[in-house]
Amino acid sequence: QQPVQSPQAVILREGEDAVINCSSSKALYSVHWYRQKHGEAPVFLMILLKGGEQKGHEKISASFNEKKQQSSLYLTASQLSYSGTYFCGTAGVGGSNYKLTFGKGTLLTVNP
Amino acid sequence: GAGVSQSPSNKVTEKGKDVELRCDPISGHTALYWYRQSLGQGLEFLIYFQGNSAPDKSGLPSDRFSAERTGGSVSTLTIQRTQQEDSAVYLCASSFERALYNEQFFGPGTRLTVL
Repeated sequence: QQPVQSPQAVILREGEDAVINCSSSKALYSVHWYRQKHGEAPVFLMILLKGGEQKGHEKISASFNEKKQQSSLYLTASQLSYSGTYFCGTAGVGGSNYKLTFGKGTLLTVNP
Repeated sequence: GAGVSQSPSNKVTEKGKDVELRCDPISGHTALYWYRQSLGQGLEFLIYFQGNSAPDKSGLPSDRFSAERTGGSVSTLTIQRTQQEDSAVYLCASSFERALYNEQFFGPGTRLTVL
């Protein structure tokens, strides 16, 4: 099943923080995060594997709570370059080892 | 090095015509994916190729859609008798082996418009 992302859209001023959530109804093995700017290809941000780990990438970090079957993406001190649509892709426990199911995305707009 | 390339970047066709979309993955990547992205929707999985294994076609929406991958490299997605609901951006991605552990590198996509 398709993971549910929230919020659907968020508007920030430069320097503000945001959290994007990705929830699944089934047990997850991994969560992948991508960012897509308008008219461009999605770009990889990070992968989180089962184990409740947290990862960071510059001022963007993420956590994976396997008990809640949820991942959260944290954007701190947002920059104009963070604007875009963020997608989570999930792989379920016991499912295929190659197929990701992507959410509908969260549109993030960072204004000056 | 070169990334994933797709052609054409834009395709406008009339309802009922056939179209072919091409994808050149990154050299050395054994896994290749096709996705469809409609306005306001996520990335819808269409088909997966891995090496010489049989492709996973479970995401193809109808038998009008088919894809092949020649020589473990270039892939072509064919849509026969196009319908207006086929209008979308078609994205190709490649990765080292299984994407469960590896990032997928996406191409710029082909925007298909069916009139």
